[in-house]
Amino acid sequence: AQSVTQLDSQVPVFEEAPVELRCNYSSSVSVYLFWYVQYPNQGLQLLLKYLSGSTLVKGINGFEAEFNKSQTSFHLRKPSVHISDTAEYFCAGAKAAGNKLTFGGGTRVLVKP
Amino acid sequence: NAGVTQTPKFQVLKTGQSMTLQCAQDMNHEYMSWYRQDPGMGLRLIHYSVGAGITDQGEVPNGYNVSRSTTEDFPLRLLSAAPSQTSVYFCASSLRAGSSSGNTIYFGEGSWLTVV
Repeated sequence: AQSVTQLDSQVPVFEEAPVELRCNYSSSVSVYLFWYVQYPNQGLQLLLKYLSGSTLVKGINGFEAEFNKSQTSFHLRKPSVHISDTAEYFCAGAKAAGNKLTFGGGTRVLVKP
Repeated sequence: NAGVTQTPKFQVLKTGQSMTLQCAQDMNHEYMSWYRQDPGMGLRLIHYSVGAGITDQGEVPNGYNVSRSTTEDFPLRLLSAAPSQTSVYFCASSLRAGSSSGNTIYFGEGSWLTVV
């Protein structure tokens, strides 16, 4: 079974500093990977997705992620965070067939002024 | 999250009561699903549907029933609520079943359920 692991449950970061959120996946077949953001009391919004092709994926709000097959990782990065980036971030994976997403446990990002 | 509507947003139930969480989408999406969100566990799939009349179990289906009589609606039923079902529930939909098409999965804004 596929699993997704987010290595940090909380990440405090100062405003305008860079941030990296770590995600590792396990799978023996082709995999599709996603990052979602959840602002307080809201649903999930897609930040970016990797389906195939270039391993560096750019998303909304200045976020990007790199698919690394050899390390089975899909880490999310932003070079300079804003207060408004305070949210919970979820890494998720899906098999080739079907839209059943497997989610990591989430990483809470708290941006401090 | 435009297009996926969940009701109610908040609900308190007593143990043993039944209720239905409603989910509707107006985007003519084939695929709909229900997840529950618990602290530190991310979202876990409860049930899903790849089209009207077709449903299947996800990772944590026990205690929940679903049906898909129309393309638009995918209600989630709790027949006898238990405190372990206290959670935030999210409905999601996408145009076609199959991640290979690059579907975007749209989530509703969530339903907060407390079972006392």
